[in-house]
Amino acid sequence: GAGVSQTPSNKVTEKGKYVELRCDPISGHTALYWYRQSLGQGPEFLIYFQGTGAADDSGLPNDRFFAVRPEGSVSTLKIQRTERGDSAVYLCASSLTLAGVTTGELFFGEGSRLTVL
Amino acid sequence: AQSVTQPDIHITVSEGASLELRCNYSYGATPYLFWYVQSPGQGLQLLLKYFSGDTLVQGIKGFEAEFKRSQSSFNLRKPSVHWSDAAEYFCAVNTGTASKLTFGTGTRLQVTL
Repeated sequence: GAGVSQTPSNKVTEKGKYVELRCDPISGHTALYWYRQSLGQGPEFLIYFQGTGAADDSGLPNDRFFAVRPEGSVSTLKIQRTERGDSAVYLCASSLTLAGVTTGELFFGEGSRLTVL
Repeated sequence: AQSVTQPDIHITVSEGASLELRCNYSYGATPYLFWYVQSPGQGLQLLLKYFSGDTLVQGIKGFEAEFKRSQSSFNLRKPSVHWSDAAEYFCAVNTGTASKLTFGTGTRLQVTL
């Protein structure tokens, strides 16, 4: 499709389990972002990729969270030893880069809703 | 660090009435400013953006916003609201470092018929 695609749309897991969330950005967008949105809150930044490398991972809450983008396109957000507090909607966004600079306009997917029981 | 404040958590307007959603930001220089809308079950959609130049920017769906540097504000307006405008609206700021957007907590708009 033409937009940002995220899978799964819903994920229910048990405390302590491992979870992977996938993001397929808009074709040609080299910048990719992960955000987390808790109930009643705005999206909070987690990590930003430019190409294959994580250019800014300052928003990752702790070392249980990790994200990869091995070929510069699809990205996977990985959460180890999930906790109930990780329950949220995880949003992925991508952006076009011109002359090495992103336009600043982010295109968001519909998100993956994670529920940790 | 930059921050965004949306003082109104919830606003209700009648269909056909005018709308103004408030947004204040905190940042030392001129930021890049955005308004996004989030409808139930849908992703965030960009309504409009301000990078530089004319301080009154037009967006999609009949929305506009005005950047006022003296007030550190970027309020969203629409002259006549439609029932389909009911959604959550988020203001966001990007410092231009091409990395991340900082979002406000959002304003939920309810439209009564």
